[in-house]
Amino acid sequence: DVKVTQSSRYLVKRTGEKVFLECVQDMDHENMFWYRQDPGLGLRLIYFSYDVKMKEKGDIPEGYSVSREKKERFSLILESASTNQTSMYLCASSLTRTGGREKLFFGSGTQLSVL
Amino acid sequence: LAKTTQPISMDSYEGQEVNITCSHNNIATNDYITWYQQFPSQGPRFIIQGYKTKVTNEVASLFIPADRKSSTLSLPRVSLSDTAVYYCLVGEKGGSYIPTFGRGTSLIVHP
Repeated sequence: DVKVTQSSRYLVKRTGEKVFLECVQDMDHENMFWYRQDPGLGLRLIYFSYDVKMKEKGDIPEGYSVSREKKERFSLILESASTNQTSMYLCASSLTRTGGREKLFFGSGTQLSVL
Repeated sequence: LAKTTQPISMDSYEGQEVNITCSHNNIATNDYITWYQQFPSQGPRFIIQGYKTKVTNEVASLFIPADRKSSTLSLPRVSLSDTAVYYCLVGEKGGSYIPTFGRGTSLIVHP
C-alpha cells in the first residue's frame, strides 16, 4: 500500500514563526499536493509539484511556499505564520499525470494552530 | 475546468441504499469522474472512478449516463461506518489534471 506520511499530527505555533510541514511518500510518485481544509470549505489546493524542483501554485498560495528537493519529499512552508493559517493541512501524492485518471493518496493530516 | 455540484448533506438509515449525485455539466471529453471518501480527522481516500456507463467495486457503484453531465455514487446497504464526506472530482485544466475538491456531500447514517 502507498504510504504518505506527514511529520506531525498536531502542531502549535506562534504568530510570526516560520513553520515547516513535511510530507514523505514511499511509492515513487511523481505528483505531490498540499491542501488545507477548513470547516465548511472542503479541501483547497495550495501548491502542487509534478517533478523534483518543480512547483505550481494552486488556488490559495498566498502566505505559503513549497520545496521539493527530492522526489519523495514535499515541504510546505509558512514564512510568517498568521492566525488565519490555523487549519488542517493535507498532503497527497499520485503516480503520474494520466489525464484525469490519477488516484490521490493522502496523509493523515496536520492540524496546525497558530496562536 | 469542469465544476461539480453535489448536495451539501444527506441523511440515511442503516441498511438503506444511498445515492449521491454529482453534476458536472462542463465535463470534457477526456475527463474521468473520481469519488473520494473522507472520515473525520483523516485524509480522503479513493473509492471509485469511471468514464462512462457503470463501474462497481467492493465498496460502491458508479453510474454515469450517456451524456456524462452527471454521475451517481451508490452505496448499498449503508452502515454507521459509512458516515463520511464524499467528494466528486472531474476535470482537466489546460491539458493538465489538477485535482480540485469541492465541499463534498456530508452523509450521516442513523441507527
